[in-house]
Formats: sequence, C-alpha cells, structure tokens
Amino acid sequence: SQTIHQWPATLVQPVGSPLSLECTVEGTSNPNLYWYRQAAGRGLQLLFYSVGIGQISSEVPQNLSASRPQDRQFILSSKKLLLSDSGFYLCAWSAGGSSPLHFGNGTRLTVT
Amino acid sequence: AQKITQTQPGMFVQEKEAVTLDCTYDTSDQSYGLFWYKQPSSGEMIFLIYQGSYDEQNATEGRYSLNFQKARKSANLVISASQLGDSAMYFCAMREGSWLFGSGTKLNVKP
Repeated sequence: SQTIHQWPATLVQPVGSPLSLECTVEGTSNPNLYWYRQAAGRGLQLLFYSVGIGQISSEVPQNLSASRPQDRQFILSSKKLLLSDSGFYLCAWSAGGSSPLHFGNGTRLTVT
Repeated sequence: AQKITQTQPGMFVQEKEAVTLDCTYDTSDQSYGLFWYKQPSSGEMIFLIYQGSYDEQNATEGRYSLNFQKARKSANLVISASQLGDSAMYFCAMREGSWLFGSGTKLNVKP
C-alpha cells in the first residue's frame, strides 16, 4: 500500500534562518506531488506541485522554493524565513485523474 | 472561473443525528471530480468520499454520502448518525486539472 512520510512534525525557527521540509512517498511511482500551506483556522493554499522529477510549478510567488530530486521525494526550502512563513505545511500525492489527494501528517512551522 | 464555496463556517449537531455540510462549485468543464476531506484537530487531512461528474449515483462510504446535484452545482456531504469523533473541519475540494479547496466547515458534535 502507498504511504506518505513528512517530517519534521513541528519546527521552530528564527527569522532569517533556512528551511528544509522533506516528504517521501512509498508504494507508488511517478506520483503528482504537492505542497500546501494552511494558516490557523483557514483553508489550504497550494504552494507548489510537481508532475515529475525536476518539474516544479509554483502557484504563489514567495521566498519558498521546492525541488524534486527523486521520483518520490519532494522538498520545500527557504533560504531566509519570514515571520509570515509560519503555518501548517502539508505534503500530498495523487496518482492523477480521479484519484484523491493523500496527505502527510503535516509540519507545524513557527517562525520567531 | 473555477470556484468552490462552503458557506457554513461552523455547524453544531447532536450526537446520533444526521448533518449536511454544504458545498457549491462553479466550473465550465464537463469532466471533474468532487472530494470531501476531514481534518481533525491533530491536523492530518483524511480523504472521505469522491464523486465524479459523470457518476449518476450519489457516492456513499459508510456513514458518509454525497448529495450530488449537478444542475445546481452542489455536492453536499451528509454524515449520518453523528459521533463525537466526527468533530473536525471538513473541506470540499474539486479536481478539474488542478485542485481547488473550499474554506471549510467546522463541525461540532454535541453529546
């Protein structure tokens, strides 16, 4: 069966520090991969999605970037965090078509 | 333009009663998918139910059913026999090429 792993679960980082969140999927190949951010009590904002290795689409201009170095690995990064980067980050994968999005457990990021 | 709307920010329901969470959408495509997700306070997003735009029957999954009214562009989630564990945020989502999520409805089940 397919599983998605996302880490870390929580992270507290100072303003200006770098960020690296990692997400891996097991049990499937060539998944569509997504990074979402959720502000407290709000809906989901799509940040990046990828349909293949090295193929990244950005939905929102910001100081975040994403990379897909391997088929089932998706990384969210920042060189310098801002206070506004605080939030709940969710990685997800889908097989495409009518398949649902399957989410990781999320990373709660607090920038201080 | 693609749009999805959940007009109920919060709902209360008595335990063991049924509850309907509203979702309306707008799309010009004929082929699309509608999904519902549950997000407990722990944060994970749990897939509940799917309805394809060409499906003639309403989708059902256990206590969850989707009341799909294509002409009205609505895809309401019905939870039967509510349980305390159903207290959570519920998001409606549409897949039409890209994914779009509603703003969510917070459901509180009262004992």
